Amino acid sequence: DAKTTQPNSMESNEEEPVHLPCNHSTISGTDYIHWYRQLPSQGPEYVIHGLTSNVNNRMASLAIAEDRKSSTLILHRATLRDAAVYYCILRVSSALSGNTPLVFGKGTRLSVIA
Amino acid sequence: DTEVTQTPKHLVMGMTNKKSLKCEQHMGHRAMYWYKQKAKKPPELMFVYSYEKLSINESVPSRFSPECPNSSLLNLHLHALQPEDSALYLCASSQVWGDYGYTFGSGTRLTVV
Repeated sequence: DAKTTQPNSMESNEEEPVHLPCNHSTISGTDYIHWYRQLPSQGPEYVIHGLTSNVNNRMASLAIAEDRKSSTLILHRATLRDAAVYYCILRVSSALSGNTPLVFGKGTRLSVIA
Repeated sequence: DTEVTQTPKHLVMGMTNKKSLKCEQHMGHRAMYWYKQKAKKPPELMFVYSYEKLSINESVPSRFSPECPNSSLLNLHLHALQPEDSALYLCASSQVWGDYGYTFGSGTRLTVV
């Protein structure tokens, strides 16, 4: 399985933008880049995903490097509610072979300071 | 309905007990999953069901027995567990085909005494 590398922890000030990096140098053509987050005492929550192009939704933006070997999750204005563990996960999605299940790495623990 | 509901939220059981965890979704998802999460660790995949059939068992001990009686329901039967099996057990569901996200439940906090 292709693996991802994320910093163990990051800190952000409230109402500031946050850029969470993820390296995935062995990514293959059928790997989608998924981001999930897990707030304290809750199950993981889907944030965003993409394949090659940058993606935006109401929660965040995903910036994918041109060579796809890295990506960045962008929270535009961090709030205290964004304090969580953020997981960057590669997942194969193929019309021929189907989808591989989500396999979580260690993730990045984001702290938000008021 | 866009939720995965897990019951019970908390469970304490003795090592000789038999108990079951329940997971339910009504989103029409035909893939369902069990994950185990120890404190301060990431979730670990245990089982995958696709169209109500077990497709992946990540070498989970037989004291954990999954069951998918219909497309909306997933159970995890527990028997003769050990204290080290104490963890948060998470259920998730998703579409089988196409690249879509998973929906996770809030989990069952299991303590084995």
